[in-house]
Amino acid sequence: AQSVAQPEDQVNVAEGNPLTVKCTYSVSGNPYLFWYVQYPNRGLQFLLKYITGDNLVKGSYGFEAEFNKSQTSFHLKKPSALVSDSALYFCAVRDSISSGSARQLTFGSGTQLTVLP
Amino acid sequence: EAGVTQFPSHSVIEKGQTVTLRCDPISGHDNLYWYRRVMGKEIKFLLHFVKESKQDESGMPNNRFLAERTGGTYSTLKVQPAELEDSGVYFCASSGDRGPYEQYFGPGTRLTVT
Repeated sequence: AQSVAQPEDQVNVAEGNPLTVKCTYSVSGNPYLFWYVQYPNRGLQFLLKYITGDNLVKGSYGFEAEFNKSQTSFHLKKPSALVSDSALYFCAVRDSISSGSARQLTFGSGTQLTVLP
Repeated sequence: EAGVTQFPSHSVIEKGQTVTLRCDPISGHDNLYWYRRVMGKEIKFLLHFVKESKQDESGMPNNRFLAERTGGTYSTLKVQPAELEDSGVYFCASSGDRGPYEQYFGPGTRLTVT
């Protein structure tokens, strides 16, 4: 079974400072990893994904994430936080060996990011 | 390109009533998924359609939930009869049919059962 852990329910950071939202995962095979963001009263919006290749992946709005296989982590980062980044962030995983019948994503519980002005 | 749409955005019903949620995926996406988030917990998978076929319904909580995707276009999720524990946000997502495509999510339907 696959699982995702987001150890922090809440992350607060000052505007202009770097931010990190943590995610660790567990899958049987190689992981496909995703980050989604949910702004207030909006749906989930895709930010970035790791499939294979370079461990550092870049996504929308200046976000990036680093895949670390040995630590089974996929932390979301941004060098300089904006107040508008305040939102709920979800990490998700899918096993790469799953067949077409098992493409479901497994999500973490979410991390509320608040960027303080 | 239009995104995934869901209707209604909010629904408040009484215990024992029936509610039908609708999802329109991105045009051309064969894969359609339903998820739900209950009481601020993690988002949980309900089921997966490929075109009109149910590919995986392992996440459906019980037989009070019925999902359909007639013609392989839009999908409906019916809850009958609704129970208090069914309250939550129901998300629909769609994706293309090749590779590990990301799933694109709709805005969700917030269901409140009183």
